[in-house]
Amino acid sequence: DGGITQSPKYLFRKEGQNVTLSCEQNLNHDAMYWYRQDPGQGLRLIYYSQIVNDFQKGDIAEGYSVSREKKESFPLTVTSAQKNPTAFYLCASSIWAPGSSTDTQYFGPGTRLTVL
Amino acid sequence: AQTVTQSQPEMSVQEAETVTLSCTYDTSESDYYLFWYKQPPSRQMILVIRQEAYKQQNATENRFSVNFQKAAKSFSLKISDSQLGDAAMYFCAYRSANYGGSQGNLIFGKGTKLSVKP
Repeated sequence: DGGITQSPKYLFRKEGQNVTLSCEQNLNHDAMYWYRQDPGQGLRLIYYSQIVNDFQKGDIAEGYSVSREKKESFPLTVTSAQKNPTAFYLCASSIWAPGSSTDTQYFGPGTRLTVL
Repeated sequence: AQTVTQSQPEMSVQEAETVTLSCTYDTSESDYYLFWYKQPPSRQMILVIRQEAYKQQNATENRFSVNFQKAAKSFSLKISDSQLGDAAMYFCAYRSANYGGSQGNLIFGKGTKLSVKP
């Protein structure tokens, strides 16, 4: 089955710890994205990557880091510098095709991160 | 910068009835895409429907249709014959057709929570 997987589904972190959220896709998509969702808010973009070994900051990148060593994988690290990391994190992917109408973003099931 | 506004935090509809969710957006661009995503209690984001701004014809997907008013910058979602499984958060999103920098990324509204009464 083609799709996007995120792990773990639930993650607990102690203050001062770094944690890494996994995102894998087998859709052969070029672009991958990380979003944060807080109660009563829409999704806000953290980081995105259009190709392997390249990524760009989104609107709320402070306290987060990413890597894109493989096309299929785009892990997100929540560092201790992130002041309020408790949130729901969603990963998405799409074809990167400027000028095309086929690059709809598809989402994974999400990871709920709680800081203890 | 583009913004997306959903003015109805919560809506309710009777099963089998029709409901319309509102979305307005602000942009100076002429070419862009608009989306409605559904987020059920499982929290998986599911694409419901998309609309290309250059198309005058409103998009339709089974029981879901949109009313796209480009001049008014309005993009409402109509759900016909509502079903219990339609209960979810619905998010409106905007994406520029210009891929320079971050302009190809999605901008979301804050969502509308839809309840369906049996």
